[in-house]
Amino acid sequence: EAGVTQFPSHSVIEKGQTVTLRCDPISGHDNLYWYRRVMGKEIKFLLHFVKESKQDESGMPNNRFLAERTGGTYSTLKVQPAELEDSGVYFCASSQLYGYTFGSGTRLTVV
Amino acid sequence: GDSVTQMEGPVTLSEEAFLTINCTYTATGYPSLFWYVQYPGEGLQLLLKATKADDKGSNKGFEATYRKETTSFHLEKGSVQVSDSAVYFCARLYNQGGKLIFGQGTELSVKP
Repeated sequence: EAGVTQFPSHSVIEKGQTVTLRCDPISGHDNLYWYRRVMGKEIKFLLHFVKESKQDESGMPNNRFLAERTGGTYSTLKVQPAELEDSGVYFCASSQLYGYTFGSGTRLTVV
Repeated sequence: GDSVTQMEGPVTLSEEAFLTINCTYTATGYPSLFWYVQYPGEGLQLLLKATKADDKGSNKGFEATYRKETTSFHLEKGSVQVSDSAVYFCARLYNQGGKLIFGQGTELSVKP
């Protein structure tokens, strides 16, 4: 069984640019989560999809972040325009019932 | 509010030393508790979990006991190895929707 795949693994962009992160969950997993770890701090929840619907987006920091999940399969997280404080590692996870599988994360650096 | 607090790192130990990483949580009720590990260059992996009070989770020589009296879930290992060098995260389940609340992570470095 393939795991959760995230890409790119690294992205360096300039302040004001747009970046799109992608997550491919495990096939058949209805639940998809995005988390973020800003340098040295805790991993924080961003949002939760159930299939294509946003179940909980209480952790999204502001309206520069837009998450979508096309047809209940892969998900994208777009940051537009990126700010310096958006730098960090973005993790995606999927689950069916209980038990998460995390991806390797995307390290985003905004310069 | 709901939070997870774990001891700050980095922690540096010699091989075969005893490891304790403290973790405490705040919550209403008794949420499931987890320890995740991130090895260099890899994603988060579940290390162990406990779903109710007094449960002990264990895996790869690591153990943690769910203590409701002290709202703690400390991670222990009797003899660490160089290969245990990683960042360890304590987490609790927020609600049945599956959202996790994490601590800030503790970086462990084990020297030969």
